[in-house]
Amino acid sequence: GAVVSQHPSWVICKSGTSVKIECRSLDFQATTMFWYRQFPKQSLMLMATSNEGSKATYEQGVEKDKFLINHASLTLSTLTVTSAHPEDSSFYICSATRQAYEQFFGPGTRLTVL
Amino acid sequence: GDSVTQMEGPVTLSEEAFLTINCTYTATGYPSLFWYVQYPGEGLQLLLKATKADDKGSNKGFEATYRKETTSFHLEKGSVQVSDSAVYFCALRYSGGGADGLTFGKGTHLIIQP
Repeated sequence: GAVVSQHPSWVICKSGTSVKIECRSLDFQATTMFWYRQFPKQSLMLMATSNEGSKATYEQGVEKDKFLINHASLTLSTLTVTSAHPEDSSFYICSATRQAYEQFFGPGTRLTVL
Repeated sequence: GDSVTQMEGPVTLSEEAFLTINCTYTATGYPSLFWYVQYPGEGLQLLLKATKADDKGSNKGFEATYRKETTSFHLEKGSVQVSDSAVYFCALRYSGGGADGLTFGKGTHLIIQP
């Protein structure tokens, strides 16, 4: 149990286009989902926290208009990278909590912007 | 702000060797501490955790003790196996209730040779 999936696992897009990444909790209802970003050989950096039905809380320095997060249900959160540019290329990872403590992580999505 | 520092990798060991991966943290309060493991192509998995000073987390032969006096949470295993090859992340989170994001170290790539 406690499986989190992400789709797509990798995506390549042209500069200026928008990309949507889905995060799903497959066998549990997630009260909270998190989005992280990981650069090569760097740690995971928390981007935002989202609770079902409410606006996401973004970490300092993360552009809300660039990274749109929608948490429409207890099993789905989406991250949309708007008007993507090469500097947005990264590995995006989501996690979901079933209880207030343990986070379950998705396998990540590799975004490459040309 | 809060931060986690862990030893740089890759760490290469022979099978059955003793493993130590150092982790130290900087935090203003009293966080919970975690070790996550990421196997190739998979999402992060919780390996072990400790919620207060002097607690010892253990799982799959791995151990780590929450040392408040040295702000450390070093990961150890007495005899590693090839299947332990993965990337290990040390992380912290405040255990004040509710779901908060994790602060991660950069990760340590462990390679076990037969």
